[in-house]
Amino acid sequence: DAKTTQPPSMDCAEGRAANLPCNHSTISGNEYVYWYRQIHSQGPQYIIHGLKNNETNEMASLIITEDRKSSTLILPHATLRDTAVYYCIVRGWSFGNEKLTFGTGTRLTIIP
Amino acid sequence: NAGVMQNPRHLVRRRGQEARLRCSPMKGHSHVYWYRQLPEEGLKFMVYLQKENIIDESGMPKERFSAEFPKEGPSILRIQQVVRGDSAAYFCASSPQTAEGGTKNIQYFGAGTRLSVL
Repeated sequence: DAKTTQPPSMDCAEGRAANLPCNHSTISGNEYVYWYRQIHSQGPQYIIHGLKNNETNEMASLIITEDRKSSTLILPHATLRDTAVYYCIVRGWSFGNEKLTFGTGTRLTIIP
Repeated sequence: NAGVMQNPRHLVRRRGQEARLRCSPMKGHSHVYWYRQLPEEGLKFMVYLQKENIIDESGMPKERFSAEFPKEGPSILRIQQVVRGDSAAYFCASSPQTAEGGTKNIQYFGAGTRLSVL
């Protein structure tokens, strides 16, 4: 699976959009980009995923560059409850290779 | 629709005892994954199971650790003769299937079991 690079930490003002970048320059054609977050020490929470098109759901938007070498997770109106560690994970699919490889993620702090 | 259920939430064991962690996947999910998170570290994959089969155990320590997912009942992660270094949060995840990638194999996590070894 492709390696990802994320900034270790970011701050964002409450109510503003939080934009979390992720570099995955070695991504291959059949690999998806997944985003999870971990609030305090809870279990990781799935946010969104995509292959090559931009995606949006009730939690966030995912923007993937045309060359797929980087992506940005957007939380449109950050709240204090969005303070968490955010993980960008790139994973292909092949039988027996379904594990998620978590890096160090980005610690996002929402400031009142 | 209940999520992934793990119990116990907290488990305290003395060195040399056995620890049994249970995981009930989401309804309709037949794939279970175990991850471990040591203090101040990221999650590390341990093992992937389907009903009655271990598919990938590449992250399991070679000794003392075992996992099963029987035809009936929850998945069990078993740690024999625990040591202080086993103190960690153990998370279980489940997914409906893994075919095709993408949506079908999103992993949903439980709240974890925090194991403390005295």
